[in-house]
Amino acid sequence: DIQMTQSPSSLSASVGDRVTITCQASQDISNYLNWYQQKPGKAPKLLIYDASNLETGVPSRFSGSGSGTDFTFTISSLQPEDIATYYCQQYDNLPIFTFGPGTKVDIK
Amino acid sequence: EVQLVQSGAEVKKPGESLKISCKGSGYSFTSYWIGWVRQMPGKGLEWMGIIYPGDSDTRYSPSFQGQVTISADKSISTAYLQWSSLKASDTAMYYCATPYGGYGYFDYWGQGTLVTVSS
Repeated sequence: DIQMTQSPSSLSASVGDRVTITCQASQDISNYLNWYQQKPGKAPKLLIYDASNLETGVPSRFSGSGSGTDFTFTISSLQPEDIATYYCQQYDNLPIFTFGPGTKVDIK
Repeated sequence: EVQLVQSGAEVKKPGESLKISCKGSGYSFTSYWIGWVRQMPGKGLEWMGIIYPGDSDTRYSPSFQGQVTISADKSISTAYLQWSSLKASDTAMYYCATPYGGYGYFDYWGQGTLVTVSS
């Protein structure tokens, strides 16, 4: 089974800061990697699919990059409404999926 | 508009059985996989399994194989997640989700069903 790790597990940043989260797969997953945002009490929301594609309607301050085993998710300028937990998710062997453990982002 | 509407919160005792549902609308229910995701209190997302309602092809995460059963009734566009004997550790929020826009990502989610198992 493919295992996913994320770092950091949590972070605090100021409004306007650039925030970066990394996700690593235990084996090569090409670009089969997605990113979700989950706010407290809400269902997850897809932000980035196929490593770097921005879902329709998602603000352009969110971006993703990477391929193979190492991926990065970036918020270019953190906003108060971005307080949430962010998860990566791989789908190298459809229809099997795996989520990363999550990164909690809050405001310093 | 694609929508997934889940059944309401449940409170059950250990050892009881339970079946929760996820009704799809606004799309061809039989043409897209529907998956289930568990979120235990204060914890992360765990992919449990997935079903293709068109032919009932079902796959499970190794962590959930044998612990739950996923099924679907395409005549009423509804997917199910069921337990034969609940444990306290099954207490969690359960989400259904479908990879409607593509094969590998869940772009539509249900609102979640909270299952509480307590004696």
